[in-house]
Amino acid sequence: DIQMTQSPASLSASLEEIVTITCQASQDIGNWLAWYQQKPGKSPQLLIYGATSLADGVPSRFSGSRSGTQYSLKISRLQVEDPGIYYCLQGYSAPYTFGAGTKLELK
Amino acid sequence: QVNLLQSGAALVKPGASVKLSCKASGYTFTDYYIHWVKQSHGKSLEWIGYINPNSGYTNYNEKFKSKATLTVDKSTNTAYMELSRLTSEDSATYYCTKGTTTDYFDYWGQGVMVTVSS
Repeated sequence: DIQMTQSPASLSASLEEIVTITCQASQDIGNWLAWYQQKPGKSPQLLIYGATSLADGVPSRFSGSRSGTQYSLKISRLQVEDPGIYYCLQGYSAPYTFGAGTKLELK
Repeated sequence: QVNLLQSGAALVKPGASVKLSCKASGYTFTDYYIHWVKQSHGKSLEWIGYINPNSGYTNYNEKFKSKATLTVDKSTNTAYMELSRLTSEDSATYYCTKGTTTDYFDYWGQGVMVTVSS
């Protein structure tokens, strides 16, 4: 199975701050990487797919990038509605696997 | 608009089975796989498997092969997941989610909490 190592496990940031979350894949997964945001009691919401493509309706302050087998989600200017848990997902091969999640809080 | 409506919460006894439903609307049901995902309380997400609604073909995570059975009813645009021989380890929220032409999930059901308790 492909392992997705996500970091950090949690972080606290201030409004308007830049936030970066990373996922390291245990092998090459190409651009088969998606990012999700989950708020308490809610379903995950798609943010980024294909490593870098912004999902419909997602604010442009969210962006995704790739360097080899390391993938990053960047929030350029943290807003009050952005706290939650963020997960990466590899869709390269079954069993599809998620990162452990990053809990983002407002400072 | 795409919507996946899941059945309500379930309280089931150890050793029993439960069948969860996921009714899709707003798109052509047979065009996209339906995936199922498990989230234990406070934990991350685990992919259980998917079903091709057109052919009925299934692909399971090895970990859930003896636990979950995926089926569909094309006449009602509904996907089902039956969980068998339930234990406390199966207490979790289960999501159905719509696949895409590439392998990620774009729309999710609201989730259903399954509690296994005597």
